[in-house]
Amino acid sequence: NAGVTQTPKFQVLKTGQSMTLQCAQDMNHEYMSWYRQDPGMGLRLIHYSVGAGITDQGEVPNGYNVSRSTTEDFPLRLLSAAPSQTSVYFCASSTWWRGYEQYFGPGTRLTVT
Amino acid sequence: GIQVEQSPPDLILQEGANSTLRCNFSDSVNNLQWFHQNPWGQLINLFYIPSGTKQNGRLSATTVATERYSLLYISSSQTTDSGVYFCAVSSGNKLVFGAGTILRVKS
Repeated sequence: NAGVTQTPKFQVLKTGQSMTLQCAQDMNHEYMSWYRQDPGMGLRLIHYSVGAGITDQGEVPNGYNVSRSTTEDFPLRLLSAAPSQTSVYFCASSTWWRGYEQYFGPGTRLTVT
Repeated sequence: GIQVEQSPPDLILQEGANSTLRCNFSDSVNNLQWFHQNPWGQLINLFYIPSGTKQNGRLSATTVATERYSLLYISSSQTTDSGVYFCAVSSGNKLVFGAGTILRVKS
């Protein structure tokens, strides 16, 4: 099992550009989520999905879109990048039959100039 | 929503020393996890422990759900234990993270 994978590892964007952060898992987990981590802080939930076709907002959803067309993939889209979105982004997956114990990907470090 | 407080915020240890990290939470939870974020930023699952006690080598954790706290014990610390330790809890499937404890182990 590769677990949770994320691409790219690093990305630099200019203000106003759009891009998609990719996340995939091969554990057949129904639940997937995106977090951002800012310096000196814990992770904050952006969006999550409880299964294919179902998504919902987390604590800090503004400026981000998600979709879940398959169980495996959960991409995060930045519509018009802003410097405030400079952060490290983590994707995670979990399943109810393991008590929603979350497994994290390696993260994507995004800088918006 | 659930509030999570971790203490201490910072901890400096000499190699070989023991330490206890604490996580307090404000509501009933069905999920509590401890993570270690290493200096390269990788988040590593340490324990899934909504209640009870678990041990894994030099690390152990105890959660007293009725009193809404969890403790992470690190014994005989090593320099590789350095990093940030996060506690995260949920009452459903959305994890809420504490701000973390920064641990520095000196050789």
